[in-house]
Amino acid sequence: AQKITQTQPGMFVQEKEAVTLDCTYDTSDPSYGLFWYKQPSSGEMIFLIYQGSYDQQNATEGRYSLNFQKARKSANLVISASQLGDSAMYFCAMREGPLNRDDKIIFGKGTRLHILP
Amino acid sequence: DGGITQSPKYLFRKEGQNVTLSCEQNLNHDAMYWYRQDPGQGLRLIYYSQIVNDFQKGDIAEGYSVSREKKESFPLTVTSAQKNPTAFYLCASSIKEGYEQYFGPGTRLTVT
Repeated sequence: AQKITQTQPGMFVQEKEAVTLDCTYDTSDPSYGLFWYKQPSSGEMIFLIYQGSYDQQNATEGRYSLNFQKARKSANLVISASQLGDSAMYFCAMREGPLNRDDKIIFGKGTRLHILP
Repeated sequence: DGGITQSPKYLFRKEGQNVTLSCEQNLNHDAMYWYRQDPGQGLRLIYYSQIVNDFQKGDIAEGYSVSREKKESFPLTVTSAQKNPTAFYLCASSIKEGYEQYFGPGTRLTVT
């Protein structure tokens, strides 16, 4: 079974609209971490946001927020007021286990986001 | 100006040749990683290292080798044993394993 599922291979969104990129995960470990990365056409992966499984509040970083629904095992990325520069591939990733256990990070297959002018 | 550098950005080799991809970081991170990305795909872990002089195989280590003689450097050698070496290779580092990873710009390897 896939540990990280991103069901939207591609999305087209009008500039200035909000975007939600879906991510569901599968783990039986009570302690884990969730990450989102952006990969522009240049290829470099850019870290956007992190959510720990025990964090009480949803993570936010500027225009990025993570809609964390633990019971649903969902960690959707929300981008507010989208910009043309947001066009990129977005990857959801998970560390299955607590930080001090040195677990690897597993990446999903990604969602390609196109922002339309 | 801290970061991760990978060189070269594009690399072309003939089949049967070994090739070494460079990865250097000045972030003082303990952990370093090598990933392979094929077109339209996610990242697959090749090798990782949690500390100098130690490294572990990832999910697709066959046909690859690494070394970690210095904290700053984690070169990847693509050997002739790798059946389909043409791909985009990304190097990353993190403070320790399990923390957010920071990536280099990548090396696009083409083997003909």
